[in-house]
Amino acid sequence: GDSVTQMEGPVTLSEEAFLTINCTYTATGYPSLFWYVQYPGEGLQLLLKATKADDKGSNKGFEATYRKETTSFHLEKGSVQVSDSAVYFCALNSNSGYALNFGKGTSLLVTP
Amino acid sequence: DAGVIQSPRHEVTEMGQEVTLRCKLISGHNSLFWYRQTMMRGLELLIYFNNNVPIDDSGMPEDRFSAKMPNASFSTLKIQPSEPRDSAVYFCASSSRLMGENTEAFFGQGTRLTVV
Repeated sequence: GDSVTQMEGPVTLSEEAFLTINCTYTATGYPSLFWYVQYPGEGLQLLLKATKADDKGSNKGFEATYRKETTSFHLEKGSVQVSDSAVYFCALNSNSGYALNFGKGTSLLVTP
Repeated sequence: DAGVIQSPRHEVTEMGQEVTLRCKLISGHNSLFWYRQTMMRGLELLIYFNNNVPIDDSGMPEDRFSAKMPNASFSTLKIQPSEPRDSAVYFCASSSRLMGENTEAFFGQGTRLTVV
């Protein structure tokens, strides 16, 4: 079945460092891919998405490119801030499915 | 729109008691999801409704769990009787299903349930 695998955390970075959180997926067909972010004590919020191969989703300085050849959707940010500290979830929604399949989440801590 | 609204935000109850969690969908959305989040298991889909009809309840852990959508904008998740292992954060999410595909899901802030 469909699944998402993302790197385990926690990831600790200094402010202004470069961030990469890896995400790979297994799915039939052409799924839509998402990154959600969960700040402490809150629900999940959509960060960015891509619906077809080679699409790049971007928001708040974060980017991810839908790579069908490597079945990946890695999240990147060039310069992280303390306020980016949160848990990041990669997810997919296959054409034949209806619910998001989430990865286990990657905790990010950015220190001043 | 105020987004997906869940209540209560926190619930502490004794083992054996009935617990009811509530969710109000975003206006116009026709898909509803209940998820459970724990440190050990991450985010688990419990049940999915489309147009008020339960489509997939395979994630509901036991008969102690039940979910309903009495109308298009409201859902409840009930646990009876509750057990300590039910302690988790329960999220409700809604989306639109158009032409066989769901748009992105919008999540509520969750209900943190503690069963002692």
